[in-house]
Amino acid sequence: GAVVSQHPSRVICKSGTSVKIECRSLDFQATTMFWYRQFPKKSLMLMATSNEGSKATYEQGVEKDKFLINHASLTLSTLTVTSAHPEDSSFYICSASRSGGLAGEETQYFGPGTRLLVL
Amino acid sequence: KQEVTQIPAALSVPEGENLVLNCSFTDSAIYNLQWFRQDPGKGLTSLLLIQSSQREQTSGRLNASLDKSSGRSTLYIAASQPGDSATYLCAVGRYNNNDMRFGAGTRLTVKP
Repeated sequence: GAVVSQHPSRVICKSGTSVKIECRSLDFQATTMFWYRQFPKKSLMLMATSNEGSKATYEQGVEKDKFLINHASLTLSTLTVTSAHPEDSSFYICSASRSGGLAGEETQYFGPGTRLLVL
Repeated sequence: KQEVTQIPAALSVPEGENLVLNCSFTDSAIYNLQWFRQDPGKGLTSLLLIQSSQREQTSGRLNASLDKSSGRSTLYIAASQPGDSATYLCAVGRYNNNDMRFGAGTRLTVKP
């Protein structure tokens, strides 16, 4: 168990358009989901943490109006890149947290990632 | 602020060699440390998780050690195989598994 999917796996869009990326926990309920961004040969950078039914918490330097996050259910979170520009091109990875029963024993399960290319 | 560094950035070895990947972190007050594997254009697969109270973890040909006082962890891969070729990332959990900081990774190539 503990499978996380992302859709689409790859997307190409024109500059100025908006792109939505979905992250789903397929076989468990995730109270918390995370969105990361990864540049080539760089580490994963946490963008935001989202809890079901509440507003996402963004990391310093991440524009919340640019990267809209919605966590409408315990199995789905979406990241919308609004008015995308070429500098938004990147690999976006989500993860979903499943509790092990005790506080602090959550385990993160990662999705396969979405490659975004903005022309 | 926790900084995680991985050395080397890239490593190429012939099949069958034993190898060590290094991870260092600046703040020794960690919750745990995790090693991941990432194949090109793919997500992350967890390999080993070491709690802050542990010194090492083993899984098959993989052994990870943790020395909190010196801010270091190593991932030892025995008898490397071409299928081990991937990028290996270490991540430090600061408070719990939900608060992780990643290194940039070591890109490993095992040549047949």
